[in-house]
Amino acid sequence: KQEVTQIPAALSVPEGENLVLNCSFTDSAIYNLQWFRQDPGKGLTSLLLIQSSQREQTSGRLNASLDKSSGRSTLYIAASQPGDSATYLCAVGEETSGSRLTFGEGTQLTVNP
Amino acid sequence: KAGVTQTPRYLIKTRGQQVTLSCSPISGHRSVSWYQQTPGQGLQFLFEYFSETQRNKGNFPGRFSGRQFSNSRSEMNVSTLELGDSALYLCASSSRRFSWDRGRSGANVLTFGAGSRLTVL
Repeated sequence: KQEVTQIPAALSVPEGENLVLNCSFTDSAIYNLQWFRQDPGKGLTSLLLIQSSQREQTSGRLNASLDKSSGRSTLYIAASQPGDSATYLCAVGEETSGSRLTFGEGTQLTVNP
Repeated sequence: KAGVTQTPRYLIKTRGQQVTLSCSPISGHRSVSWYQQTPGQGLQFLFEYFSETQRNKGNFPGRFSGRQFSNSRSEMNVSTLELGDSALYLCASSSRRFSWDRGRSGANVLTFGAGSRLTVL
């Protein structure tokens, strides 16, 4: 059974800092990995999707990497802003269905002005 | 382009009642999946529908059921509500074109709705 772990559970940083969020998974037979952000009381917004054959994806100030063999992914946020404050969730796509995702517990990020 | 629409956004029920939640996917999306989010268990997969057929089911009791209509809109139903069913129920759609597409293509970016928050008293 796939298990996804995110470290740290919470993170508070000053504005402008570069930061890294970590995600690990137990079964390396994944089809893809997605990073989402969730604002309080809201749904999820997809940030980046990495296919199993890819090593990284970039979107603006965000960069996500994937190392399948070690079961790890990182989300790098450059020059953090208060608007980046949210919970960041990592999810892996399972072999049986691309729409069945196993989620981590998330990292709650606070960026202080 | 309209996003994923879930109704109702908030609802309160009592134990033993049943509830039906609705999800309208992005136009053209044929895959709809449902997730339950609770503080204790996090986000857990409920089921997925593609072309009106349930393709995958999570580890939930039979009280949780769903269906998908020909226009891809989906509903989920929870019967005999329990206190532990209090949660945010999220629906997501994807542009996956074929039921056998296991996510190798980029079509499996899931777009989530805002969710339906269910409180069971």
